[in-house]
Formats: sequence, C-alpha cells, structure tokens
Amino acid sequence: QVQLVESGGGLVKPGGSLRLSCAASGFTFSDYYMSWIRQAPGKGLEWVSYISSSGSTIYYAGSVKGRFTISRDNAKNSLYLQMNSLRAEDTAVYYCARRPTVALLYYFDYWGQGTLVTVSS
Amino acid sequence: SFELTQPPSVSVSPGQTARITCSGDALPKQYAYWYQQKSGQAPVLVIYKDSERPSGIPERFSGSSSGTTVTLTISGVQAEDEADYYCQSADSSGTYVVFGGGTNLTVL
Repeated sequence: QVQLVESGGGLVKPGGSLRLSCAASGFTFSDYYMSWIRQAPGKGLEWVSYISSSGSTIYYAGSVKGRFTISRDNAKNSLYLQMNSLRAEDTAVYYCARRPTVALLYYFDYWGQGTLVTVSS
Repeated sequence: SFELTQPPSVSVSPGQTARITCSGDALPKQYAYWYQQKSGQAPVLVIYKDSERPSGIPERFSGSSSGTTVTLTISGVQAEDEADYYCQSADSSGTYVVFGGGTNLTVL
C-alpha cells in the first residue's frame, strides 16, 4: 500500500533553517509528481511546492519562493524540502502528497501524516 | 493568482443532504477536487475531476459543477461525515495549486 512518511520537523528560531524529508513506499516513486502542502494551526491548507517526476519542473507558492527548495532522490524514494530564512508564519504541519502524473489533473491522491514545524524564539 | 471561496460552516441533521459550495473564476477552465479532513488527521481525497469518486469513497459523496461554482453533496449525512472539507483547483497553466478556505461540516 502507498505510504508517505514525513520527518525532520521541530522547533527552530526565526531566520533559521530546517530540512524536511518524506519517505515513499508502495508505489513507483519515480513515476509521480510530488508536493508539499502545509497547514498552520487551526487554519486551512496551503500548497507550498511541487516537483515533477524527474525533478526537472518545480513550482513554488509566492509565500515561500526564494526561501524554500524542493528536491527529490528517486534512487532513495525520497522527497525533501529545504526551508531557509524561516518566519513565524511558516509554523505549520507540513504534508507530503502524491500527485498523479496525468496531464491537466492537479490533485493529490495520497498524503502523509505530516510533520510539525514551529518557528519561535 | 486566483481564489476559491467556501462557506466557513454548514450544519445538517443526520440523514439529511449537505451541500458545500466552492466558487472561483478559474473553475470553468480547471477541474475541482475535494478533500475531507477529520480532526487531527491528514486530508483524504473524496472527489476528483469535479464529480469522480475515488475507490473506497462512499456513494453518498458526489460532486457537480456549474460555471464558476462547484458543489460537494453528501446525501444521507452520517455522524462520521463531520469534518472540514476543502475544495482545490489550479490556475489555467497548472503552475499554481489553490485550496479553498475550508468548510466545517457539523452533524447536529
């Protein structure tokens, strides 16, 4: 069965950095687009970034562009999110999610359980 | 960029029909998708391509589209359907993904 397991969350000071990981199993990781989506405490979902199956196409939400970097290692079935210059407003649960590689369809059929990032002094 | 607008809350009694709307200018050009999120859990896809239901999702969940509004309908609501529901779509080029603000469904 498809499994996505995030790790790397924790408490970090404003201006600091953190790297999230997502370990994928139960499917051919290299065939799928992957994405990071976050949810601030008590708030709604916010798309952060996605990366194509090969890693050649990457997009970011405006709120994180220039500070966050998404990447993947298909040999390790892993997705990453490098977060720099963190701000209090980046505090959220970060979910890794799979996007089916079907043209013109932009949805997420499997989600991990999330990892909490708290940015506070 | 574009926005998707949902009502903050909807309340229904068990066995009734709940309808949750989502409005956005991009919706005639892009499909909409719906997720259910129960307290403390990750979201689950319940509708894709406006009206398709993934395997394992009960038939009481359905979706429809009309112009700039899409609707998630839950027929014969059960207590277990109490959750937050989010619509989602993408801009016309597929570059950006957007979620609606979410609707809290309360089963009275």
